[in-house]
Amino acid sequence: DQQVKQNSPSLSVQEGRISILNCDYTNSMFDYFLWYKKYPAEGPTFLISISSIKDKNEDGRFTVFLNKSAKHLSLHIVPSQPGDSAVYFCAARDDKIIFGKGTRLHILP
Amino acid sequence: GAGVSQSPSNKVTEKGKDVELRCDPISGHTALYWYRQSLGQGLEFLIYFQGNSAPDKSGLPSDRFSAERTGGSVSTLTIQRTQQEDSAVYLCASSLDLGRALHFGNGTRLTVT
Repeated sequence: DQQVKQNSPSLSVQEGRISILNCDYTNSMFDYFLWYKKYPAEGPTFLISISSIKDKNEDGRFTVFLNKSAKHLSLHIVPSQPGDSAVYFCAARDDKIIFGKGTRLHILP
Repeated sequence: GAGVSQSPSNKVTEKGKDVELRCDPISGHTALYWYRQSLGQGLEFLIYFQGNSAPDKSGLPSDRFSAERTGGSVSTLTIQRTQQEDSAVYLCASSLDLGRALHFGNGTRLTVT
């Protein structure tokens, strides 16, 4: 039973445009959400997080939005750059951190 | 700077053999997690350690899997009688405390032939 779902296995976006990565969750006890980025042959690296008491957190080109009523969060990357091509994992915490299956983002030149 | 270190980076073993995977977390990090990523899959939670508390083993897929953390630092993940379906990248991560942003190692790629 997947508690954190990333329903899009892959996404292609033109360089310079906005990339929007989506994530849904089922556990209303999650109180903290995180996004990670992963390149091949490397471990995931932390990008940005949001507490469940907030609905938006911004850090440079990255913004995470949280809609608690819909149990949905999204990561916006704008403008998208070639180096953003990677797999992005959504994660959520209750007493441990649970990850989704990831979305592979391709930034097209 | 010293990040999370995992060894070996690659391991090929024959079906039925036991393997040990090692993780050196960042110094001072009290929380340590093990995940695995099978081909085309996400990060599957296996086990976590937090300080001196009993570990949460709820993600271990079978009793062939075990992990320990000695002295609150180094951790080893042991897989006994390996099976082909155990082939995956095993990732270790640590954090300052439970639930904070995790710092991952580069993983151990395990191949069971």
